[in-house]
Formats: sequence, C-alpha cells, structure tokens
Amino acid sequence: QVRLVESGGGLVQSGRTMTLSCSASGFIFSRYGMHWVRQAPGKGLEWIAFIWADRNNKDYADSVRGRFTISRDNAESILFLHLNSLRADDTAIYYCARDGAHRDLDYWGQGVLVTVSS
Amino acid sequence: EVLLTQSPATLSLSPGERATVSCRASQSVNNNLAWYQQKPGQAPRLLIYEASNRATGIPARFSGSGSGTDFTLTINSLEPEDFAVYYCQHRRTDSWTFGQGTKVEIK
Repeated sequence: QVRLVESGGGLVQSGRTMTLSCSASGFIFSRYGMHWVRQAPGKGLEWIAFIWADRNNKDYADSVRGRFTISRDNAESILFLHLNSLRADDTAIYYCARDGAHRDLDYWGQGVLVTVSS
Repeated sequence: EVLLTQSPATLSLSPGERATVSCRASQSVNNNLAWYQQKPGQAPRLLIYEASNRATGIPARFSGSGSGTDFTLTINSLEPEDFAVYYCQHRRTDSWTFGQGTKVEIK
C-alpha cells in the first residue's frame, strides 16, 4: 500500500536551514507529482510546494517562494524540502502528500514537526 | 487566487445526526473541489474528489455536492469517529488552496 514517511524535523534557530525528507513506497514514485503542506499549531492546512513527476517544474506558495526549495530523487523514491532563512512563523507540522488523479492530494504522510526558535 | 470560505467554523451535533458543511469559492471552480477529514494528531485523509466522488474506502454516509462556487459536504448519521475537522480544497493551475476548516464536534 502507499506509504509516505517524513523525517528531518526538530528544533532550529531562526535564520538557519533545515532539510526535510519524505520516503515513499507502495507506488511508482517517478510517475507522481508530490506536495508539501504545512499546518501551524492549532491552525488549518497551508499548501506550500509541489514538484512535478519529471522534476523540471516546481510551484510554491508566496509565503515560502525564494526561501524553500522542493526537490526529489526518483531513483531512491525520496522527496525533499529544503528550508532556508527560517522564521518563527514557519513553525508547523510539515506533511508530504501525493498528487492525485483528480487535482487532489490522495495520500499523506504522518507529518514531521519543525519548531523555529527566535 | 481562488479563496475558499467554509461555514460554519464549528458544528455541534450528536451521533446519529446529519452534518452539513459548506464551502464557497470566490470564483467558479467548476467541479474542481475536494474534501478532507483530519482527526486530532493525524494527517488529513481524502474523502471526496471532483465535488461529489467518494475516495477509495470512504463510507457511503459521506457525500459531496455542488459546482461552480457553492459546495456541500454531507455526513449522514454521524458516527463517533466522524467528529473531526473537515477541509475543502481547490487546485488552480499552479497553486492549491484549502478552506479554513470546519470542526464537527460532539454536542
């Protein structure tokens, strides 16, 4: 079955960098676009980044464009999110999710917590 | 950018009752709308895609309707496990948007 497992979160100081990973299994990773979605404590869902299956095209929310970079390793079935210039308001649970066939997000990982201290 | 506005923010109901959650788009999205359920401490789960189609494994008590700008998620006869937060979502070309969420809580 489809499985997505995030890792790499934790406590980081404001202004520093962090890289999140999402290991995928149970499907042909290279055929699917992939997303990162975050959720600040007690808040709703915020889509932040998408990468197409072929890795050539990427989309970002305005809130992270220029600071975060999404990438993927199709050979290893791993999705990445590189977080630069972190701010306190980047504190959130970060989820990876698979792009579904109907413009939805059909499978989600369990999420990883990133806490940015000032 | 399409904005999605959900109402109400909180819905207080008893098990066995029907829940109706609304999602209004700031401009027409045709039927390009999905619904998700999120329970405390868990990841979101896809319920409905393309406004009215249940995702794999979703019970028949969940249904979606609407098109254009007004959409509804209905949960017939609430089960204890249905008390959760529900989000609508739309994709537009190069961005994905979520509604702010509706909490369905036990009355």
